[in-house]
Formats: sequence, C-alpha cells, structure tokens
Amino acid sequence: QVQLQESGPGLVKPSQTLSLTCTVSGGSIDSGSYSWSWIRQPAGKGLEWIGRIYTSGSTNYNPSLKSRVTISVDTSKNQFSLKLSSVTAADTALYYCARGSVNCDYWGQGTLVTVSS
Amino acid sequence: QSALTQPASVSGSPGQSITISCTGTSSDVGSYNLVSWYQQHPGKAPKLMIYEVSKRPSGVSNRFSGSKSGDTASLTISGLQAEDEADYYCCSYAGGTTFVVFGGGTKLTVL
Repeated sequence: QVQLQESGPGLVKPSQTLSLTCTVSGGSIDSGSYSWSWIRQPAGKGLEWIGRIYTSGSTNYNPSLKSRVTISVDTSKNQFSLKLSSVTAADTALYYCARGSVNCDYWGQGTLVTVSS
Repeated sequence: QSALTQPASVSGSPGQSITISCTGTSSDVGSYNLVSWYQQHPGKAPKLMIYEVSKRPSGVSNRFSGSKSGDTASLTISGLQAEDEADYYCCSYAGGTTFVVFGGGTKLTVL
C-alpha cells in the first residue's frame, strides 16, 4: 500500500521560501510512469493544483504560480519536494502531495503551512 | 475563480439520486476524457471516486457514476447514504500550459 507523508515547517515568514518534502513509502517512487503532484487548499476553500514532476525530472506548473514554484525529485530517498518563493498570506493553506495529476489515487494527509511574521 | 464551474451545494434525501455538474470549456473538459471526481470529508484528504470520466477505482461503490457531454461532466450518486455527505471536486486535464484544473467544489448534504 503506497503511503505519502508531507513534512516541513508549519510557519513561514512573508517574502521567504516555503519548502516541503513528500516521502513515499510502500513502493518505489520510480516504479510505473506516475507523476507526483503538489496540491493545496486554503482553509474553507477548494483545491488548487500547484504542479507535478515525473521521476525523469520533467515538471509542469500551474501558470499562476509558475514564476515562484520549483518541484524536484530525489529517487534515492523516494521523495519529491516543493519550493514556493516570495510567499504571502495568500499562500497559507493545507498542502497535499499526491500520486498522479488528474487521477490522484494516493494522497498524503496534508500539512498546514501558515505565512505570518 | 475556479477554472471548472460546479454548483456550490446540492442536497438529497437518503435513497434518492443526485447529480453534480462540472462545466469547463472546449480546452479542458470538452477536449479530453481525463475528468476525475474526488470526495472530501471534513479534515480528510480527497479520495478519488471517478477517473477518466466514468471509471471507478477498486473499492469505490457502484452507486457512484460519471459521464460527460460536451464541455460538462457529471457525477451521479444513486441510493444516497448519510456517509455520502461531503464535498465533491471535479478535475480535468487542460493541456497546453494549464495542465490540470479543479472545480470549486460542491457541498453535498444528505437530508
């Protein structure tokens, strides 16, 4: 059973960079031709796709966030990561990692990131 | 504003059927049979209920079904049960430089 777990600081100061890691267990991140996505959800609001990565390193990003987002993968650690720069209060949200892009069949439990000084 | 349009809320009584619509454009829903639906209970991660318009993952009840006509996809839940009360989100591949878009979500209330 594949499991995903997000980790990273829960509090980030405005203008700084948000950094999160998703650790995949129960299977190799490199098995199959899956993409691995980051998705966020502000409190009481809907889901927003941030971007995805394949284990080849190929990435795609939400155009509205593209200038600030970097997603990377470390297959040796079975992890992929998110960096979001120049954060503001509008980036406060529950951040999820998931396997897939449109068909996300496995999700992490989510990690709350608050942007505040 | 979400790229895909869903009704904010729908409701139904136990045993009834309801349908949630998800309206996109010819650039997303209308162009690809890559529409999925997610169920999200409060405080939980979303759960994939339908993928590729009408396919059900293993373990998902056959009371859940999906369809698409033109730029609009639909999720139908038959034989409503109290446990179906949740938020539902549609998602579509959008190609180009957009890639993936979500609907704004629909709150289902089981009366």
